[in-house]
Amino acid sequence: QQQVKQSPQSLIVQKGGISIINCAYENTAFDYFPWYQQFPGKGPALLIAIRPDVSEKKEGRFTISFNKSAKQFSLHIMDSQPGDSATYFCAAPSTSGTYKYIFGTGTRLKVLA
Amino acid sequence: SQTIHQWPATLVQPVGSPLSLECTVEGTSNPNLYWYRQAAGRGLQLLFYSVGIGQISSEVPQNLSASRPQDRQFILSSKKLLLSDSGFYLCAWSAGWLEGSPYEQYFGPGTRLTVT
Repeated sequence: QQQVKQSPQSLIVQKGGISIINCAYENTAFDYFPWYQQFPGKGPALLIAIRPDVSEKKEGRFTISFNKSAKQFSLHIMDSQPGDSATYFCAAPSTSGTYKYIFGTGTRLKVLA
Repeated sequence: SQTIHQWPATLVQPVGSPLSLECTVEGTSNPNLYWYRQAAGRGLQLLFYSVGIGQISSEVPQNLSASRPQDRQFILSSKKLLLSDSGFYLCAWSAGWLEGSPYEQYFGPGTRLTVT
């Protein structure tokens, strides 16, 4: 069964620090890799996404780094803020159909003030 | 702009009772629609997806079913709930053909279901 391995499971970072979350995937049917941010009791919100024709995409304090040969990608949160405290999910395209994703198990981030 | 609605927001149901959760999308046509379940502290498990009215694909054999009676309406149902059906149910949509990027999925606010 196709899996996306996400690490770490939880992460504590000081305010102003860098948060790094990693994901590894298997074969995919198409090339689009999103990250989602979820606050307690809410639905996940699309945060940032990358197509692997580039190795990095930056939006504000959030950056995705992509290594296609290693089948790995990561989310970097620069200057982490307490408001960034949430659960983050990566996703990779499923091999079993169109526009479907396999999600990682999530990383619970806590940014200390 | 597009909006996705889910109701109810929370639901407590006894074992063996029926279930109906509804999801509607506004501001787009012919969206791809998805039902996910999220167990406590876990990732997102795709249950069903639909690319058009009456077209439903099931991902996981289970006690649930889905229907799409209208273009922008997606319903999750069960005839008899099990304890293991408890969880956070999320509906999502992505743009259909010619409407935009089909790769970007947008989630609704979710329904918290507790089966007692």
